[in-house]
Amino acid sequence: QSVLTQPPSVSEAPRQRVTISCSGSSSNIGNNAVNWYQQLPGKAPKLLIYYDDLLPSGISDRFSGSKSGTSASLAISGLQSEDEADYYCASWDDSLNVVVFGGGTKLTVL
Amino acid sequence: EVQLVESGGGLVQPGGSLRLSCAASGFTFRTYPMHWVRQAPGKGLEYVAGISGYGGLTYYANSVKGRFTISGDNSKTTLYLQMGSLRAEDMAVYYCARALMGATRAFDIWGQGTTVTVSS
Repeated sequence: QSVLTQPPSVSEAPRQRVTISCSGSSSNIGNNAVNWYQQLPGKAPKLLIYYDDLLPSGISDRFSGSKSGTSASLAISGLQSEDEADYYCASWDDSLNVVVFGGGTKLTVL
Repeated sequence: EVQLVESGGGLVQPGGSLRLSCAASGFTFRTYPMHWVRQAPGKGLEYVAGISGYGGLTYYANSVKGRFTISGDNSKTTLYLQMGSLRAEDMAVYYCARALMGATRAFDIWGQGTTVTVSS
């Protein structure tokens, strides 16, 4: 059972837009930055979004992040087949004193 | 080029010990927070341990506290994870990761991972 809650899977057609939710609590998302990672099959995770809505250098602006209260979302627009991956949200937890991850969401591009 | 390369994984018996290494290059190692994250087969990411820049503070997941120790050698620009009393549930790919400066705890650079198998 992960501290942050994500849907196990989402799917959408190419060129469409999809959102992935991440729900937490006041000890993590509600009081700390949310970061998102993309993990392609067989690869190490890659930072996609940091500090709720900032894009690291080299990340496509088709990816965007937002946060409200104790929940956050990742949006991917103009879906492409290469976006098929697992996506994880993460945040620091003030009670546990560690980074906590969501369980991950598998994105399928139909 | 900024790079992290893990090593030290392998097969170990339950109750045994193992030390993982993460060789860092291309950045000023001693100033960055560094972390270990693991992924059991077919499962999601799990935070293991972290050490602050300059090594002043360490952090551990409850699942490894008292069994694992994170440390860094600035002269060798290498991060370590000393693992003891290993259990079947510790079997995973272990990634080292660099964190951005500041309070985001965002891991911007990851290694390729090293696999730990715990089995008799």
